[in-house]
Amino acid sequence: DADVTQTPRNRITKTGKRIMLECSQTKGHDRMYWYRQDPGLGLRLIYYSFDVKDINKGEISDGYSVSRQAQAKFSLSLESAIPNQTALYFCATSDASGNYNEQFFGPGTRLTVL
Amino acid sequence: RKEVEQDPGPFNVPEGATVAFNCTYSNSASQSFFWYRQDCRKEPKLLMSVYSSGNEDGRFTAQLNRASQYISLLIRDSKLSDSATYLCVVNRGTGGFKTIFGAGTRLFVKA
Repeated sequence: DADVTQTPRNRITKTGKRIMLECSQTKGHDRMYWYRQDPGLGLRLIYYSFDVKDINKGEISDGYSVSRQAQAKFSLSLESAIPNQTALYFCATSDASGNYNEQFFGPGTRLTVL
Repeated sequence: RKEVEQDPGPFNVPEGATVAFNCTYSNSASQSFFWYRQDCRKEPKLLMSVYSSGNEDGRFTAQLNRASQYISLLIRDSKLSDSATYLCVVNRGTGGFKTIFGAGTRLFVKA
């Protein structure tokens, strides 16, 4: 079984709809992240959390919100989806030791906003 | 200008070739450096860390040049299975979490 899972894997929605992407991990890591990937731009950090109830904005948080209610779960919400939020979304985890550690990514969610 | 820049490629090389990728970063406060590999439509996975002294893992060698602010990845004896996108990752490290991913360099290894 995968250590980091994301649901759904693919989603097509319409402008203005509320969307929630879920991430679960069995690695026991404290730190979790949400990224989006667009062609030619690389991965960009949306939000990150270093512990339950800890929420921090990343590079591109506008239009997104997150919730970290449990160590193993980190959800990303688009309150009112717009077409330029069409992208590949990745959740990632890392442990808390050291300044930076390897990040383990989920398989991604491909979101299309029409 | 992007904080981490990579040549997007694609690099098309035959099996057995040696290929090198460079990555430049603009923030001199950057503290740690990595190469990740991403297969088509898959998640990125850590390939190797990059140390000032340089490090090698089998056919892969990573180098860091702090003075010129670039890191490199050398792949020797390329295999078909090396075909992927290679992401340069830089961690600024101070004042909170600051990890920047490059857009990636695409490699195709042909038989």
